[in-house]
Amino acid sequence: AQRVTQPEKLLSVFKGAPVELKCNYSYSGSPELFWYVQYSRQRLQLLLRHISRESIKGFTADLNKGETSFHLKKPFAQEEDSAMYYCALRRIGATNKLIFGTGTLLAVQP
Amino acid sequence: KAGVTQTPRYLIKTRGQQVTLSCSPISGHRSVSWYQQTPGQGLQFLFEYFSETQRNKGNFPGRFSGRQFSNSRSEMNVSTLELGDSALYLCASSLDLRGSWDTEAFFGQGTRLTVV
Repeated sequence: AQRVTQPEKLLSVFKGAPVELKCNYSYSGSPELFWYVQYSRQRLQLLLRHISRESIKGFTADLNKGETSFHLKKPFAQEEDSAMYYCALRRIGATNKLIFGTGTLLAVQP
Repeated sequence: KAGVTQTPRYLIKTRGQQVTLSCSPISGHRSVSWYQQTPGQGLQFLFEYFSETQRNKGNFPGRFSGRQFSNSRSEMNVSTLELGDSALYLCASSLDLRGSWDTEAFFGQGTRLTVV
């Protein structure tokens, strides 16, 4: 079965501390992995995807196929990073259907 | 360019009624997907439309249906509403580039449906 698991509902850190939002997936085949972010009162938006291998707003995520993980990391959290983060996967090249995890609320304390 | 537009933003309906939600994708986007977002279940895929055809469907009862028009605008309909249908319904549009990795889903702000 296709599934995305985000084990933490809430992650609270202090400003300047490192952040790691966990994401594990189960999928038979080659998926595309994404991180979406939803800031307060804003629409859901793409943060980054594994294929582009880029860093956005200081966040990076590496796909580990052996551990079937796609954890989101940032070395120094900022208060403006506080938001809901969703990990998602999609079957490569076949459909635009996204399978989402349940999300992790990141709260960065001053 | 204008983003994905969903109307109405808020709806209150009573059990047993039906409701129609509308989504206007970004100009040039031909794929429209719908999601249901609830606190308990998170974001769940409802269906995807491309060129007026349903291309993919999630695990929702037949009360949930949709369609897409020739201008790519999409509607979803929920009949015989139940209390559990209360949710935020999100629409996302994408360029359809099959086989390409460079396809991003752009989301609307959603329609908040409350069933009483």
